[in-house]
Amino acid sequence: NAGVTQTPKFQVLKTGQSMTLQCAQDMNHEYMSWYRQDPGMGLRLIHYSVGAGITDQGEVPNGYNVSRSTTEDFPLRLLSAAPSQTSVYFCASSYSGRGPLEWEKLFFGSGTQLSVL
Amino acid sequence: AQKVTQAQTEISVVEKEDVTLDCVYETRDTTYYLFWYKQPPSGELVFLIRRNSFDEQNEISGRYSWNFQKSTSSFNFTITASQVVDSAVYFCALSEKDYGGSQGNLIFGKGTKLSVKP
Repeated sequence: NAGVTQTPKFQVLKTGQSMTLQCAQDMNHEYMSWYRQDPGMGLRLIHYSVGAGITDQGEVPNGYNVSRSTTEDFPLRLLSAAPSQTSVYFCASSYSGRGPLEWEKLFFGSGTQLSVL
Repeated sequence: AQKVTQAQTEISVVEKEDVTLDCVYETRDTTYYLFWYKQPPSGELVFLIRRNSFDEQNEISGRYSWNFQKSTSSFNFTITASQVVDSAVYFCALSEKDYGGSQGNLIFGKGTKLSVKP
C-alpha cells in the first residue's frame, strides 16, 4: 500500500545544477500535482496533470518543468536550480481532478526537502 | 480572486483547553470545496476533512469539529480538550473548478501553528 512515493527525501544542489524530483503513485490516479511549501507561505501549486500526456501550470511554474508520460509517474525537473527554489516539495494525486470530489480526496507524498546553495 | 486567509499565525494553549482555528475564504465560484489538513512536526500532510459548498452542516469527529458558514465565508476548526499530540501546523484549503480548470488544485492558507503545552 505505497500510495504516493517521492524521492529523494533530501537533496542539496548548487546554483545552476539540474535535477529531477520523482513522484510515483500506485493507485491508478488520473490527477497529479506538485506543490512547494515555504515558511509562512502555505503550499503553492507549481504544475498539475489531469492525465497522461496532459500537464498545465499552477501558481508558481517558473523554473520548473513537468511531463506525464505514464499514469503512475509525474517528475518535476529543475533545469537550473536557484536559491529561491529552496523549499519543501510535495507531490499529490487523486482519482480525478475533474468533476465532483465528493468521493475522493487528495493524497500527498511525504515531501522532498531541497536546498539550493 | 481565490484566496484563503488564516489570520492566526501561531496559537499556544495548555492541554485540555479548547481552541478554534479560523479560516476565511474568497471565491466567485458557486461550487467549491473546503479542506483542513494537519502537518505534524514529522512533515507529512494529513487530510482531516472536506466539505462542499452546498453542505453547511457542521461536522463533529471525536474532539474535532468544523463550523462552515457561507454567510461569512468561514470554515473554522475547533479542537476540544486539546492534547499535546494536536501540536502541528493546520492548513485550510479551497478547491474550485476555475482554478486552473481542475478541482484537484488546492489554494492553501498560510497555516496556523498550534502548540499544545502539557
